[in-house]
Amino acid sequence: AQKITQTQPGMFVQEKEAVTLDCTYDTSDPSYGLFWYKQPSSGEMIFLIYQGSYDQQNATEGRYSLNFQKARKSANLVISASQLGDSAMYFCAMTFHSGNTPLVFGKGTRLSVIA
Amino acid sequence: ETGVTQTPRHLVMGMTNKKSLKCEQHLGHNAMYWYKQSAKKPLELMFVYNFKEQTENNSVPSRFSPECPNSSHLFLHLHTLQPEDSALYLCASSQTGLAGGSSTYEQYFGPGTRLTVT
Repeated sequence: AQKITQTQPGMFVQEKEAVTLDCTYDTSDPSYGLFWYKQPSSGEMIFLIYQGSYDQQNATEGRYSLNFQKARKSANLVISASQLGDSAMYFCAMTFHSGNTPLVFGKGTRLSVIA
Repeated sequence: ETGVTQTPRHLVMGMTNKKSLKCEQHLGHNAMYWYKQSAKKPLELMFVYNFKEQTENNSVPSRFSPECPNSSHLFLHLHTLQPEDSALYLCASSQTGLAGGSSTYEQYFGPGTRLTVT
């Protein structure tokens, strides 16, 4: 069965520092997509970054980058130059085969940015 | 309106009430989803609709009844709910395609409806 594991229930980071949020996944399917979402206290899930299983390079979106290590089945999110507004829950998720298969989510990591 | 909208944002209902949650997407997507997010649990998929057809029902109790009249609208009809059904209900939409490549096909989420069953 497909599974997403986020081992860090909570993380603290100093403002302007970089932080890495861990995510490992388990699948035997060669074709999959990996996502990171941010959920602030308002509840909305905000898409951050995507990595396809066949992508050769790590995905980057502004201050977000995804450290994709396929052999280790890990897809860690790196946030550079943390800001107070980055404080939120962060979820790693994956989907399989086609874009209309539902996302499988991890339990999330609560990131707190300290001034 | 842009993106994915959900109404109402908050709902309190008794166990004998009947209510409906509404989701609307303005992104031209052809797949829509209902997720349930309970405290301290991962998001759980409830239903998937692709081109208005239900393609997945993730063992959801019959007191939750989805309806998808067109690709832009999705409803979740609620009746005789239990207190343990209190949660954040999130709607999402996406474009169908193939995962694994350079296209993202990410799911865009609405702000959610926070439901409390008393």
